[in-house]
Amino acid sequence: DSGVTQTPKHLITATGQRVTLRCSPRSGDLSVYWYQQSLDQGLQFLIHYYNGEERAKGNILERFSAQQFPDLHSELNLSSLELGDSALYFCASSGSLGGTIYFGEGSWLTVV
Amino acid sequence: DAKTTQPPSMDCAEGRAANLPCNHSTISGNEYVYWYRQIHSQGPQYIIHGLKNNETNEMASLIITEDRKSSTLILPHATLRDTAVYYCIVRGPNSGYALNFGKGTSLLVTP
Repeated sequence: DSGVTQTPKHLITATGQRVTLRCSPRSGDLSVYWYQQSLDQGLQFLIHYYNGEERAKGNILERFSAQQFPDLHSELNLSSLELGDSALYFCASSGSLGGTIYFGEGSWLTVV
Repeated sequence: DAKTTQPPSMDCAEGRAANLPCNHSTISGNEYVYWYRQIHSQGPQYIIHGLKNNETNEMASLIITEDRKSSTLILPHATLRDTAVYYCIVRGPNSGYALNFGKGTSLLVTP
C-alpha cells in the first residue's frame, strides 16, 4: 500500500458525459501527479500540482482539467468524454518537488 | 528530459539474478536515474534511484556507469512475483520532476 488513495476504482459512463476522479496523496505530500494509461499509449503524464499550484503539464487534453485543494487532495475532471478516453488513470504523490513519487492503484474509466 | 532505451523483453530463471540494462546517453548532470515496475495494471511501484553512485536497497541494486550514460538494475534473486514491466526513467527539474515513462522492459521470470 503506497498510501495514495484514488476513488472511484471503477467507473462506467457514456460518451459526452463528465466525470471527476479523486486522489488523496500520502499524508503530508505536497506534490500530486496525474497519469493516463491506455493500451495504445502507455503511461502518459498529464499534469503536476505542487501545494495547490500547477507546476507542469504533459499530454493533457483541453477537455480535462485538474486542481489541488488546500487540504492537498486533488481532482481530475474529464468532460465531453469520448470512447478513446477509456483508460486507467493514476494519481501519484511525493513529499517534495524532487522527492520519490508513489502511485495509487488507479481509477478504471470505461466510456461506452 | 533525456530519453532512455531498454530492451523490450527479457527472461530470467527463478532464483537467478535479473540484470536489466538501460541506456541514457543524453542524461544531464542534474538528472537522476529512477526505476519503477508495473505488475499487470497495478500502480507503478518505485524500486530505486541514483545520481552517479551505485545504490542498493532491499529490492534491488542500481549500477550506474562512470560516464552516467547507462545503468543496470539488478534483482539479485528473481522470483515469479518479479514478473513485471520495468521502467528506467531519467528525471530532473526540466520536466517539473515528472516521470516520463517509455515502453520499459517486460521481464518474465520462469520456474
